[in-house]
Amino acid sequence: DQQVKQNSPSLSVQEGRISILNCDYTNSMFDYFLWYKKYPAEGPTFLISISSIKDKNEDGRFTVFLNKSAKHLSLHIVPSQPGDSAVYFCAASALGGSEKLVFGKGTKLTVNP
Amino acid sequence: DAMVIQNPRYQVTQFGKPVTLSCSQTLNHNVMYWYQQKSSQAPKLLFHYYDKDFNNEADTPDNFQSRRPNTSFCFLDIRSPGLGDAAMYLCATSRRLAGSTDTQYFGPGTRLTVL
Repeated sequence: DQQVKQNSPSLSVQEGRISILNCDYTNSMFDYFLWYKKYPAEGPTFLISISSIKDKNEDGRFTVFLNKSAKHLSLHIVPSQPGDSAVYFCAASALGGSEKLVFGKGTKLTVNP
Repeated sequence: DAMVIQNPRYQVTQFGKPVTLSCSQTLNHNVMYWYQQKSSQAPKLLFHYYDKDFNNEADTPDNFQSRRPNTSFCFLDIRSPGLGDAAMYLCATSRRLAGSTDTQYFGPGTRLTVL
């Protein structure tokens, strides 16, 4: 049973436009969410996070939105750059609860010049 | 500059032949994790160490073992690799457990091929 779902395996956008990557979760105990970015032949690197007490967190070109009632979060990249081309993983955990960080399957983003 | 180092990057073994994957860290983090990631799948946690305390995930096969001789090093031992164990193995570290706001730092992974 997938507790964290990224339903789009891939996404292609033009340079300069907005990229929106989506993530859904089923476990209502999750209260901390992270996005990791992975280039080929490298390990995932932390990008941005959000706790459930917020509905938005922004860091430069990256913004994560959280809709708790819908159990949905999204990562917005504006403007998209070719160097953003990578696989993006959504992950979730329960603060003060399980030690486990649960990952989605990832979405491969391609930003075309 | 590398903070989480995994060796080797690529490992080929034969069916049933024991293999050991290595992970080291320069971050002095308390927690070290091993994940298995198969193609187009989510990374799956196998186990983790909090200092010397070992925590096995309930669905991790007995074929997979781990050792952490000191803070810096952690090993993944696959006693009798099967074809289904071919995957990318990711090591990660964090100061505290995942049930906190600490992020995990990942190594580049070891790609295991089983012939």
